[in-house]
Amino acid sequence: DQQVKQNSPSLSVQEGRISILNCDYTNSMFDYFLWYKKYPAEGPTFLISISSIKDKNEDGRFTVFLNKSAKHLSLHIVPSQPGDSAVYFCAASPPRGSARQLTFGSGTQLTVLP
Amino acid sequence: DARVTQTPRHKVTEMGQEVTMRCQPILGHNTVFWYRQTMMQGLELLAYFRNRAPLDDSGMPKDRFSAEMPDATLATLKIQPSEPRDSAVYFCASGLVLSGTLHEQYFGPGTRLTVT
Repeated sequence: DQQVKQNSPSLSVQEGRISILNCDYTNSMFDYFLWYKKYPAEGPTFLISISSIKDKNEDGRFTVFLNKSAKHLSLHIVPSQPGDSAVYFCAASPPRGSARQLTFGSGTQLTVLP
Repeated sequence: DARVTQTPRHKVTEMGQEVTMRCQPILGHNTVFWYRQTMMQGLELLAYFRNRAPLDDSGMPKDRFSAEMPDATLATLKIQPSEPRDSAVYFCASGLVLSGTLHEQYFGPGTRLTVT
């Protein structure tokens, strides 16, 4: 039973347009969320995170939105660049004080077309 | 430039052979994770260690997989005997837990295992 779901295995976007990657979770105890990016033949790298006390966090071209009532988060990339083509994983963490590990989604392959 | 290193990067072996994958976590990190990535399951957690002690290995097939941390600079994942269904990319990650909370994990480049 997947607690973190990325229902779109792939997404194609034209360069310069907005990329929106979605993630849903089922465990209401999660209170910290992260996005990782992974290029072929490399390990995932941390991209951006958001705490449950916020509904938006922005870092340059990357913005993460959190809708706690819907248990949904999304990553917006604008403008999209060909170098953004990668697999994006969302991950969720239980509350402070817990020693539990991150739970990852299955990933979405983003392709930015020049 | 601190990073997690993994060896080997690629491994091709025959069914039934023993496979050992190694990981050097970032110096000072007290938590080490082993993940497996497959097309079907995505990224799965196999096991993780805190201060070299195993905390959770429930994601790992116990009969053939074993994970250890002989010292703070080395983590190993062993498969014996290996099977074709073990073919995957195995990632090691490390992080620092402070006040009981781990947030960011830093991943190594992975070991691509092919069992024929």
